[in-house]
Amino acid sequence: EVQLVESGGGVVQPGGSLRLSCAASGFTFDDYGMHWVRQAPGKGLEWVSLISGDGGSTYYADSVKGRFTISRDNSKDSLYLQMNSLRSEDTALYYCANDVPNWGLAYWGQGTLVTVSS
Amino acid sequence: QSVLTQPPSASGTPGQRVTISCSGSSSNIGSKTVNWYQQLPGTAPKLIIYRNNQRPSGVPDRFSGSKSGTSASLAISGLQSEDEADYYCAAWDNSLNGVVFGGGTTLTVL
Repeated sequence: EVQLVESGGGVVQPGGSLRLSCAASGFTFDDYGMHWVRQAPGKGLEWVSLISGDGGSTYYADSVKGRFTISRDNSKDSLYLQMNSLRSEDTALYYCANDVPNWGLAYWGQGTLVTVSS
Repeated sequence: QSVLTQPPSASGTPGQRVTISCSGSSSNIGSKTVNWYQQLPGTAPKLIIYRNNQRPSGVPDRFSGSKSGTSASLAISGLQSEDEADYYCAAWDNSLNGVVFGGGTTLTVL
C-alpha cells in the first residue's frame, strides 16, 4: 500500500525558514518523480514543485522560485521542501504526491500545515 | 486566477448526471493529458480520472472524462450524496513548465 506522510509544518514568522519532509513507502521511491502541492485555507490546489526520480531535474512554480528548494534522499525514501523567505501568502496545507507517468499526481499524503504569521 | 478555468459550483439531485468543464489553452490541455481529482471535505485529493478518460481501479464507472481541443470535462452519472466534494482538473503546462490546476468546482447533491 502506498503511503506518503508529511511532517515539519508549524508556525513561522515572515522571513523565516522551514523544512518539510515526506516519508514514502509501498512503492519503489526512486522510480517516481515527486511533487509538492499546497492549499491555502479555504482555497484551491496550487502546484509548488516537482523533482525527478533521480533528483536531477527540478521544477518550480513562479510564486516560490528562488525561495523554495525541493530535494530527495532515495536512500531514505524521503522527499524534502526547504522553504526560505516565507511570506504570509505561503500559509497553506502542503501535500506531497508521487508522479506516475501519464497518471499525474497519483497518490497524495494527508498534508502538513504551514502558518506564516508574526 | 487559475490557468485552467472551471465553474466554481455545480449541483444535481440524486440519480442525475452532472458535468464539470475545464478550459485551458494549447500549452496545457491542448497538448497534454488531463487528470481529475476529487477532494472530499477535510481529506486529501484523490485521483479519479487520468489520461483524459481512464479510471484508476476502485473508482466507480459513474465517473467519466473526456477531452476535446483545449477543453475537458468530467461527468458523474447516477449522482450520489457521497459525491459531494470539490473537483479539480489538472494538466502539465509546456509554457510554465509545471502542473496547472483548475480553480476547483464544488459539487452539491441537493
